Formats: sequence, C-alpha cells, structure tokens
Amino acid sequence: QKEVEQDPGPLSVPEGAIVSLNCTYSNSAFQYFMWYRQYSRKGPELLMYTYSSGNKEDGRFTAQVDKSSKYISLFIRDSQPSDSATYLCAMSPLSGGSYIPTFGRGTSLIVHP
Amino acid sequence: NAGVTQTPKFRVLKTGQSMTLLCAQDTNHEYMYWYRQDPGMGLRLIHYSVGEGTTAKGEVPDGYNVSRLKKQNFLLGLESAAPSQTSVYFCASSQDGLADDYEQYFGPGTRLTVT
Repeated sequence: QKEVEQDPGPLSVPEGAIVSLNCTYSNSAFQYFMWYRQYSRKGPELLMYTYSSGNKEDGRFTAQVDKSSKYISLFIRDSQPSDSATYLCAMSPLSGGSYIPTFGRGTSLIVHP
Repeated sequence: NAGVTQTPKFRVLKTGQSMTLLCAQDTNHEYMYWYRQDPGMGLRLIHYSVGEGTTAKGEVPDGYNVSRLKKQNFLLGLESAAPSQTSVYFCASSQDGLADDYEQYFGPGTRLTVT
C-alpha cells in the first residue's frame, strides 16, 4: 500500500461546477500538505500548501486537511476549462531537518465548456 | 519555472546505450531532485542532493547514477538503458529542505524512450 493514495480519474465536469479532489495518507508523521498542478507536457507547479488541519482559501481554491482522518482535499469553485490539468497532492514529515515530499499519483481533471 | 532547465527535451535510446540528462538551475537552490513520471504512477523520486557534492537514493534508484559536482547542476546517468526506463524525467530544485521554504520548482521534463 502506498503512503499516499489518490484516485487517478479522469474526473470530467462541466464549466462552473465545484470540483473536489482528494488524497488519503497512512503516515501520521506527515505535517506539510501541498497541491501541485501539472498541465499537459509541463512540469508540476505548486498551487497551494498548508501545514495545519482546517481550511486554507486562495481565490477559487480551498485546501482542506483533516489529520484525524488522514485525508486532504482540494476544492475548486466555479471551475474553468483552464483548470483542466492533473492535480498532484504531496506531503512531507519534518524529519531530521530535511524535507522530501511523497507525491500521490495525480488526478486528471477535465473541465468542459 | 524558477529557472530550472533540462537537457535534452526528447531522446530515443536503444537498449544497452548510455546517456546523461542534465539539470541546471540558476536560483542558487541547495536541494535538487530527479523524478520519473509514468502513467498512473505519479512522481517517483530517483535520487536527490542536499548540496554540492552530495547525493542520496530515492524510491527508485536502481539503474541510475547521479552527480552534483557544481551547485547549479544535477546530472542523471543511465549506464545501460532498459525499456523499463522509458519515462518522463523531471528535475526539481528547492531552496533547502526546511519547512520554511519547501516549494519545489520543476523543469519542463525530458521524454525518454528506450527501444
């Protein structure tokens, strides 16, 4: 079993829909949680991060962490075709002063007009 | 992407051939990483470096070697390519490994096919 589980999708939604992307994890040492967005044939780019339970909002994006359930989510409001991409969750413990993240497999999102 | 470049962008190798992938960053980052990305497998860490002259193994290091002779460059070598190494390879860098500056900056990727 992988430390980080993420449904690869694809997830197809109409423009304007609310999108929910999720990851579960098994390592209780994970303290830092990130979401990367990867457009086709490009490298991933950091979208959001958080290191506490609860919600963090940035425009149309909300990152949610529930450490008790080992579950993180990314919500996208008013989704746009330009949001079509693969979304990767990543997380890390703080171990010995170094940070090496573990990535989920990524969820492919398609927002159609 | 915060100044991370990869060379080459595409390459086709025959089984048994060798090659070196070059990653360069111009942001003076301490940490550098090599990942491979395969369909349905996400990003898997091959090797990483926490500073000039240092390297460490990641999740899938077999069949690869790395070197970090200069801080700005991180080289990934395949000594004897195998079809299982067909993949997209991403290099990344980050300021350091501490919590305050965790963001990894990725290069555009190298698409490698081994026939």
